[in-house]
Amino acid sequence: GESVGLHLPTLSVQEGDNSIINCAYSNSASDYFIWYKQESGKGPQFIIDIRSNMDKRQGQRVTVLLNKTVKHLSLQIAATQPGDSAVYFCAGIQGAQKLVFGQGTRLTINP
Amino acid sequence: NAGVTQTPKFQVLKTGQSMTLQCAQDMNHEYMSWYRQDPGMGLRLIHYSVGAGITDQGEVPNGYNVSRSTTEDFPLRLLSAAPSQTSVYFCASRSGQGDQIAFFGQGTRLTVV
Repeated sequence: GESVGLHLPTLSVQEGDNSIINCAYSNSASDYFIWYKQESGKGPQFIIDIRSNMDKRQGQRVTVLLNKTVKHLSLQIAATQPGDSAVYFCAGIQGAQKLVFGQGTRLTINP
Repeated sequence: NAGVTQTPKFQVLKTGQSMTLQCAQDMNHEYMSWYRQDPGMGLRLIHYSVGAGITDQGEVPNGYNVSRSTTEDFPLRLLSAAPSQTSVYFCASRSGQGDQIAFFGQGTRLTVV
């Protein structure tokens, strides 16, 4: 099966700085990963995804990096804003079946 | 387009009571799942379904039942509620083809006393 976990439960950054949230996974056969953002009192929302045949994918202010050698992925948020405060989850999937989530990192933005 | 709709938003049960959490999606998604979210535990998969009439267990299925009689609906039943089932429950759906992006409902906060 798959298990994913984040390295740090909390992360504090200054407004305007870049944020990097890390995640490790266990199953080398996992072929798809997704990052979700969860604001207080809401369900998780999709941010960005990446397939295992890619090393990097960019969105608006966000970049996901995948290192299959060490089974690690990261989410980079450029120029962090107060609205980026949330809990961020990585999730992994294998064979289009179960989607398994990590424990989440709470990102706090300091003014 | 409503997406994924969960009801109720809040519920308080007494130990031993039963209830059903409702989940409906209007995106014609094949895959639907139920997760529970506890502090510091992330989202844990309870049950999932890859299509009408097909269900399977996730990581923490004990104490919960599901059925999938239609593509749109995926109810979660608590047969005899226990305090350990106090949690926030999320339903999610995804197409099962192409991208695997899951869309989540707003959650049901359940307290068992």
